[in-house]
Amino acid sequence: RKEVEQDPGPFNVPEGATVAFNCTYSNSASQSFFWYRQDCRKEPKLLMSVYSSGNEDGRFTAQLNRASQYISLLIRDSKLSDSATYLCAVKEVGGSEKLVFGKGTKLTVNP
Amino acid sequence: GAVVSQHPSRVICKSGTSVKIECRSLDFQATTMFWYRQFPKKSLMLMATSNEGSKATYEQGVEKDKFLINHASLTLSTLTVTSAHPEDSSFYICSASEMGGADTQYFGPGTRLTVL
Repeated sequence: RKEVEQDPGPFNVPEGATVAFNCTYSNSASQSFFWYRQDCRKEPKLLMSVYSSGNEDGRFTAQLNRASQYISLLIRDSKLSDSATYLCAVKEVGGSEKLVFGKGTKLTVNP
Repeated sequence: GAVVSQHPSRVICKSGTSVKIECRSLDFQATTMFWYRQFPKKSLMLMATSNEGSKATYEQGVEKDKFLINHASLTLSTLTVTSAHPEDSSFYICSASEMGGADTQYFGPGTRLTVL
């Protein structure tokens, strides 16, 4: 089993739609979780950290389910500008600070 | 805050030459920086963890003599691709975590290497 797995996508949704991405991780001791956004031929940019109690930032909601070892990202009222690849990342335990990334899910929001 | 720069942003070189890429944390100190490689339509693959003042830790399958990493200060790490070949053509991205700060990694803008 791969360390971090994501929905393969791609997702094609109309403007205004709600879309959800899931990501599972294999290391039950992982402590830190993140969602990054990557535009074509650009570097990843941090979208939001994922906290145990779940957190929201505008139209974006991230949740963590430790029992099932997955994190999710919900985008409400999607905009054309949300089109990008969304990467989940999990930080390994043990002090290495190494991030393990999923392969990413490509989202295209259509007018 | 938390800005990471990379230089150059794009480089084209002949096969057999060596290419040095710089990664700088501009407004914070980073004891640890990370080097990733990303092939088209593929995920980020961690190559190595660069530690200030000590040897880098390479991921399995990454040749340390091929990809030389130097982390001479708390704000600068360099990656040198030695004797580059066309298969080394890729997008190289560094990231850094702020020393003593939250565990967020901030990425540089990446360097697109094309080896002819």
